[in-house]
Parts: sequence; structure tokens; C-alpha cells
Amino acid sequence: DAGVTQSPTHLIKTRGQHVTLRCSPISGHKSVSWYQQVLGQGPQFIFQYYEKEERGRGNFPDRFSARQFPNYSSELNVNALLLGDSALYLCASSLYTGYTFGSGTRLTVV
Amino acid sequence: GIQVEQSPPDLILQEGANSTLRCNFSDSVNNLQWFHQNPWGQLINLFYIPSGTKQNGRLSATTVATERYSLLYISSSQTTDSGVYFCAVEGDSSYKLIFGSGTRLLVRP
Repeated sequence: DAGVTQSPTHLIKTRGQHVTLRCSPISGHKSVSWYQQVLGQGPQFIFQYYEKEERGRGNFPDRFSARQFPNYSSELNVNALLLGDSALYLCASSLYTGYTFGSGTRLTVV
Repeated sequence: GIQVEQSPPDLILQEGANSTLRCNFSDSVNNLQWFHQNPWGQLINLFYIPSGTKQNGRLSATTVATERYSLLYISSSQTTDSGVYFCAVEGDSSYKLIFGSGTRLLVRP
């Protein structure tokens, strides 16, 4: 079975632009979570979606939004990009025995 | 919210040595996981261990939930064990993982 897949793997954007990151969970997993990891720190929780409903939101500004589709895949959208949004964005899916993470999207804002 | 502390922050080992990494957490949890992050950023799930002891090859982990700590043991370390080890917990009705700051391990040949 395929693991959690994320696209794209790398992305360079200009300050002020908008970005969309995509994630497909492990087959059968209905929950998708998004995390941001800046250099030298542990991942920070952004959102969790379950059955297309937002179940949790971390301490991130409204520029960050997400949604989950009927096939349980998910998108993370970030508007008005700032230099500080440069980070590794990780997606995870979960069932009953913990979270499995994808390889991440490395976003660089210039 | 729950606080997660990992120690030591940095660890340098000679290949073949053993090590113990510690994770302390401040409240009851219903999930605790240990991850290894490789140089490419991939977070690899090592153990799902909210309580008890598990072993997988040269790695083993123990969580004592009543005392709010977990230990990750690495035996006969190899250079491929290098990277950052994270402990992450999920509180009751929380729906999010809270990560510690990690232990950066370097295994020298």
C-alpha cells in the first residue's frame, strides 16, 4: 500500500503570493493533519480534518486554510506568503495506532 | 497545553555504542510516538507506545504513563541511525500531536 503522499516536494514562491499544497492519506485513513516545521524545531500542528470536517486548528493566522475532499485527500492553502512561512510542511494520516507522515513539501518564500 | 521535554538535546556516539533518549510529558496522554527524522526531512514512525514496552530490532521503547515519561533505547548504533529523534504526544480529546524539541544524534564510524 502507498503511504502518505504529498505534492509538490519542493516549491519556491515570492512574498505575497498564494500556495496550495496537496496530500493523499493512506488508503482507509479518514483523518488528515497538517504540520509546519521550521528549521531546527519540531513540527507544529496547523489543522486536522476528519470526514471533511475541521476537527482541530493550531495557532496559525487566517492566511492558512485547508479542506478535505470526499476521497479524504486534502489541500493546505496559504495566502499572502511571508518570508517566515518558509518551512517544511508535513501531512499525516491516522487511523487507530498513531500518525504516519508523508515526505513533506519544502516551501521557500523569497 | 501539554509540555514535552526531550533529553539530551545532542548526542555523539561511536558506531557500536548504546544510548538512551528520554521524553518527559506534563499530562496524561492517549498517544505517544517516537519518530526518526532523516536528513531529507522524512519523519519515520519508530514506535506507537502510549504505555508499555516494545522492541523492533536494535531499537526498543518503554513508556511509563503513570510517571509521564518514555525512553527510547538504541543498541549497537550505526551511522544510519544519525538524525533527529522526536517524541510526540497526543492528549485526551486533543486531535493533535505535540512534539518535543528533539534529540540530534550523530553516530561516527
